[in-house]
Amino acid sequence: AQSVAQPEDQVNVAEGNPLTVKCTYSVSGNPYFFWYVQYPNRGLQFLLKYITGDNLVKGSYGFEAEFNKSQTSFHLKKPSALVSDSALYFCAVNGGYQKVTFGTGTKLQVIP
Amino acid sequence: GAVVSQHPSRVICKSGTSVKIECRSLDFQATTMFWYRQFPKQSLMLMATSNEGSKATYEQGVEKDKFLINHASLTLSTLTVTSAHPEDSSFYICSASAGLMGEQFFGPGTRLTVL
Repeated sequence: AQSVAQPEDQVNVAEGNPLTVKCTYSVSGNPYFFWYVQYPNRGLQFLLKYITGDNLVKGSYGFEAEFNKSQTSFHLKKPSALVSDSALYFCAVNGGYQKVTFGTGTKLQVIP
Repeated sequence: GAVVSQHPSRVICKSGTSVKIECRSLDFQATTMFWYRQFPKQSLMLMATSNEGSKATYEQGVEKDKFLINHASLTLSTLTVTSAHPEDSSFYICSASAGLMGEQFFGPGTRLTVL
């Protein structure tokens, strides 16, 4: 069975500082990895995905994620946080058959 | 990116009534659509997977007779919550996938409140 863990319920970061939202996984085979963002009372918006190739993936709104196979992680990063980045972030993995498993979500709070 | 719509965005109904939620892929043909349920401050829980023209595959613990899913075309899937009760109140989100790459495009969600 595939699983995704987001160890932090909430991450607080000052505006302008770099941010990291953590994600670790347990899955076999060659899965795909995703990050999504959710604003209040809204559906999920796709940020980025990793399938293969370069371990650093760039996505929307200046976000990027680094795939690390040895640490089984896929952390989301941004060099300089904006207040508008404050939202709920979900890591997800697709291990096959299009069934996606989501992490529990991390609330990002960017402090002005 | 691809656009998925949901209708209605918000619905309030009385206990015992049925509610239909529509999910449409606006600019692509979705071979597979997914229905999720999200409780406050929790992650998404997959309810069922539906492929056009075939019966939906329900996740363990999801009552198929209560949550009726119809995927009539490559651009439309519907979720009907039958005989709704207050415990069915939740945020329902659909997503659509167009191929094997696994990327899903999500609708904006439907907030269901059962009184």
